Amino acid sequence: DQQVKQNSPSLSVQEGRISILNCDYTNSMFDYFLWYKKYPAEGPTFLISISSIKDKNEDGRFTVFLNKSAKHLSLHIVPSQPGDSAVYFCAATNRDDKIIFGKGTRLHILP
Amino acid sequence: NAGVTQTPKFQVLKTGQSMTLQCAQDMNHNSMYWYRQDPGMGLRLIYYSASEGTTDKGEVPNGYNVSRLNKREFSLRLESAAPSQTSVYFCASSERVSVWETQYFGPGTRLLVL
Repeated sequence: DQQVKQNSPSLSVQEGRISILNCDYTNSMFDYFLWYKKYPAEGPTFLISISSIKDKNEDGRFTVFLNKSAKHLSLHIVPSQPGDSAVYFCAATNRDDKIIFGKGTRLHILP
Repeated sequence: NAGVTQTPKFQVLKTGQSMTLQCAQDMNHNSMYWYRQDPGMGLRLIYYSASEGTTDKGEVPNGYNVSRLNKREFSLRLESAAPSQTSVYFCASSERVSVWETQYFGPGTRLLVL
């Protein structure tokens, strides 16, 4: 059973617009959430995280929103740039346990 | 500062052959991990080592063994490769298990088992 779900395998967004990537989780014990970005032929890199005690965390063009009651988080990228084209993985953990990854969403930024 | 390095980058094996994937980190991290990534499956944890001298099973450990050789190195061994082990393997390290923001990944090893 998938504990972390990214239901959109791919997403295309015009350059300059907002990209919104979604993630749902089922395990209510998760209390820390992360987003990773992955380019082809490279390993994933950490992008941004959020603790369950917050509902928003912002870092430059990237903002993560957490809705605990809906067990849903989203990553907003504003404005989207060509270099944002990559696969984005949502991940969740209860900090001292293993981290669980979603299947990823491939983001295409269109010129 | 190389971060996390993996060798080899690419390998083709025949069913039943064995091989060891090597991983090393130069960040003085305590914890190290092996993941596999399959199309449409995301990253799944195979084994991890919370600290030097310890190893634990992850989500998909069957068919693999690991060795934490020292603080820097963590190897993954396939004793008898099977086509189902065709995948991209990523090694990662972090300061410790709970400090996930410090998890850095290597570039991956592409393994094809025929």
